[in-house]
Amino acid sequence: KAGVTQTPRYLIKTRGQQVTLSCSPISGHRSVSWYQQTPGQGLQFLFEYFSETQRNKGNFPGRFSGRQFSNSRSEMNVSTLELGDSALYLCASRRGTSEAFFGQGTRLTVV
Amino acid sequence: TQLLEQSPQFLSIQEGENLTVYCNSSSVFSSLQWYRQEPGEGPVLLVTVVTGGEVKKLKRLTFQFGDARKDSSLHITAAQTGDTGLYLCAGTDNTNAGKSTFGDGTTLTVKP
Repeated sequence: KAGVTQTPRYLIKTRGQQVTLSCSPISGHRSVSWYQQTPGQGLQFLFEYFSETQRNKGNFPGRFSGRQFSNSRSEMNVSTLELGDSALYLCASRRGTSEAFFGQGTRLTVV
Repeated sequence: TQLLEQSPQFLSIQEGENLTVYCNSSSVFSSLQWYRQEPGEGPVLLVTVVTGGEVKKLKRLTFQFGDARKDSSLHITAAQTGDTGLYLCAGTDNTNAGKSTFGDGTTLTVKP
């Protein structure tokens, strides 16, 4: 069974631009969560989607948004990029309330 | 707000030594997961513990869930260089749609 797939793996963007990251969950998993990971801040929860609805949200500015499609695939968008947005963005999927399985992440560098 | 505190934050040991990593909270969790993450990669699930007092063994790794389901420990016997990585614990709350709370992690370095 295929794992969680995140694309792209690496991305370099300029300040002020916007970016969209994609996550395909494990087949049958309807919950998708997004996290930001930086060396100094650890794993920070962005939001969780379940059945196309945002179910939980972390403490990030409105520049960070997401959505989920009917096939459970999810996208995350960051607008007006700042240098501080450089991070590893991780997506995790789960079935119900079971444990989360992570993708390999997207490394975003903002220059 | 549920918080998970991991200790120690950093650990550097010689190959062959034993070590224990702790994950503590004042909140009760429905289950607790341990993950290992290598640089630039996503966390990989090692184990899930569900029952208070539960002990699970995975080769040289022993995981324990506290009786009150508020804390957990990970013990590694005879550490190997391949055990090097970031160890994360995560508590899951089924009363809040399975929301997971992550600790800040323990960075383990095993030197040859």
